[in-house]
Amino acid sequence: AQSVTQLDSHVSVSEGTPVLLRCNYSSSYSPSLFWYVQHPNKGLQLLLKYTSAATLVKGINGFEAEFKKSETSFHLTKPSAHMSDAAEYFCVVRAGGYQKVTFGTGTKLQVIP
Amino acid sequence: DTAVSQTPKYLVTQMGNDKSIKCEQNLGHDTMYWYKQDSKKFLKIMFSYNNKELIINETVPNRFSPKSPDKAHLNLHINSLELGDSAVYFCASSQDGQARTGELFFGEGSRLTVL
Repeated sequence: AQSVTQLDSHVSVSEGTPVLLRCNYSSSYSPSLFWYVQHPNKGLQLLLKYTSAATLVKGINGFEAEFKKSETSFHLTKPSAHMSDAAEYFCVVRAGGYQKVTFGTGTKLQVIP
Repeated sequence: DTAVSQTPKYLVTQMGNDKSIKCEQNLGHDTMYWYKQDSKKFLKIMFSYNNKELIINETVPNRFSPKSPDKAHLNLHINSLELGDSAVYFCASSQDGQARTGELFFGEGSRLTVL
């Protein structure tokens, strides 16, 4: 069994300040973890993924995430928020086999000018 | 060239009607999916096909019937539409449905509104 919890449904930051979107997971197997971004009226785009190599993963648009097995976390960060980062962000866990991919409930990021 | 394309993007229809949404991927992937996203942005898996074979069929009313004529296409037909079917439906694909490392590639979504 697997699950993913996004700890904040809504995060608001000022432009130019750091972003932290929190994600915790549980899995019976060694999972892969993903972050996706969804801009309004758009599909989901992959930001980054962890698949058991380096625990610090860099993605597109300056985002990165660190896999911490001891804390079962995969938080998404960015040093400086940009207005274009305003979107919905989804943390995803996948443990392999023909198992469903499990999505978190999403975090809406608001960037204040 | 769009990797995963769905049509139509918007669909407005009356209760009781039947409608279809089409999806095509040109990535050469083996596995395709249908997800439903509700008004709170929650994404729920509906179906998954691998090489035209149904492998995931979640608890979805049998008014919903997926069809995969080949591994590049996965269509969704909905009979007797109800108000609760209003949502955004996303098609997605992945290289190998068994590989835990494979990411999903999503279409832009089809927004269905049932009046």
